Amino acid sequence: EADIYQTPRYLVIGTGKKITLECSQTMGHDKMYWYQQDPGMELHLIHYSYGVNSTEKGDLSSESTVSRIRTEHFPLTLESARPSHTSQYLCASSDEGSFYHGELFFGEGSRLTVL
Amino acid sequence: DQQVKQNSPSLSVQEGRISILNCDYTNSMFDYFLWYKKYPAEGPTFLISISSIKDKNEDGRFTVFLNKSAKHLSLHIVPSQPGDSAVYFCAASRSGGGADGLTFGKGTHLIIQP
Repeated sequence: EADIYQTPRYLVIGTGKKITLECSQTMGHDKMYWYQQDPGMELHLIHYSYGVNSTEKGDLSSESTVSRIRTEHFPLTLESARPSHTSQYLCASSDEGSFYHGELFFGEGSRLTVL
Repeated sequence: DQQVKQNSPSLSVQEGRISILNCDYTNSMFDYFLWYKKYPAEGPTFLISISSIKDKNEDGRFTVFLNKSAKHLSLHIVPSQPGDSAVYFCAASRSGGGADGLTFGKGTHLIIQP
């Protein structure tokens, strides 16, 4: 059973607000990821981290930022939310063994709606 | 340009019958393929994978077949059960590329009819 948690599960906010999506895992995984997914579409990698103080942008450009100050915590922040940011955001992690081939443990997702 | 294609957005199968989900890829550098299953309002969970050195991998009711020459893989579920109703994502990677090298398809929504 994967132990990776995301909060909030659902968030509806107005344009211009700052939001932070939280992601925590208790498995001690070094590698963590943020994906964005819209209904009927692929999962797109927007950020990833290979360890504390390491963050990289993924293949999909995103206005969000991430930080990795602790191994277990990988929050995603939008400084000024816009309707185009409406999407589902999925956090994931992997260990050394599963990392090689891309096996990921996902959280339950945060569905963001920006009005 | 989509490198991993799942051309059927949805598939309806009767309970007890075989479900076959298809996936095509274009990048010949991919050598490892995975299927993830996703229920509504939940994150995807890893289901089964296959390396390019194999053409078949089985795990209980789930079997993945790989045809490298056709750049095609399929997931067979036998027999299909109501709990199999979910969205199935095909994903591909290059060994050593890590999870940040994963490319996902758009998913196929499998509906198991009672």
